[in-house]
Amino acid sequence: DGGITQSPKYLFRKEGQNVTLSCEQNLNHDAMYWYRQDPGQGLRLIYYSQIVNDFQKGDIAEGYSVSREKKESFPLTVTSAQKNPTAFYLCASSIGSWVSGNTIYFGEGSWLTVV
Amino acid sequence: DQQVKQNSPSLSVQEGRISILNCDYTNSMFDYFLWYKKYPAEGPTFLISISSIKDKNEDGRFTVFLNKSAKHLSLHIVPSQPGDSAVYFCAAQGGSEKLVFGKGMKLTVNP
Repeated sequence: DGGITQSPKYLFRKEGQNVTLSCEQNLNHDAMYWYRQDPGQGLRLIYYSQIVNDFQKGDIAEGYSVSREKKESFPLTVTSAQKNPTAFYLCASSIGSWVSGNTIYFGEGSWLTVV
Repeated sequence: DQQVKQNSPSLSVQEGRISILNCDYTNSMFDYFLWYKKYPAEGPTFLISISSIKDKNEDGRFTVFLNKSAKHLSLHIVPSQPGDSAVYFCAAQGGSEKLVFGKGMKLTVNP
């Protein structure tokens, strides 16, 4: 089945540790995104990539890093510099980037909890 | 500054009745609007969209209306079902602007 797969679904991290969230899509989409959801905050953009080997910061990129070495993969690393990492993380993709008419589709999300 | 606003955080309706979810935007460059539905601990699911060249789009029980002069759109669900209970996000994009989401609205449909 075509879709976006995020793993792990639940992740616990000790303070000071880096963790990497995986995102894979088999939709042949060029653009991929990472969002963060906090209660009452809606969806906030962390990073996005319009094409392989290229990515840009979103609204809340501090404390995060990404890579886009393959079209189908866009992993997100939450570093120890991220002050409030506990959140629900959503990976998404679309055929093209910020062009009207391009619908963004989401994965199932990953819960990260700092303990 | 919020460019997409969902001013009501929640709505409760009876099963079988109409649910109307509202969304306002401020950026006149926005020309494509989307609604997503989200259950707890799951990713948002695309529901329906509308381009600014239209003022209405229907898909089954879901209809989105766009009033460009008022910079307002609404999602109508008729008839509402308990399975529609979820958080609904409005989103907008236009030009080279990234997709902007509202903060969401929780819909509860009571049996």
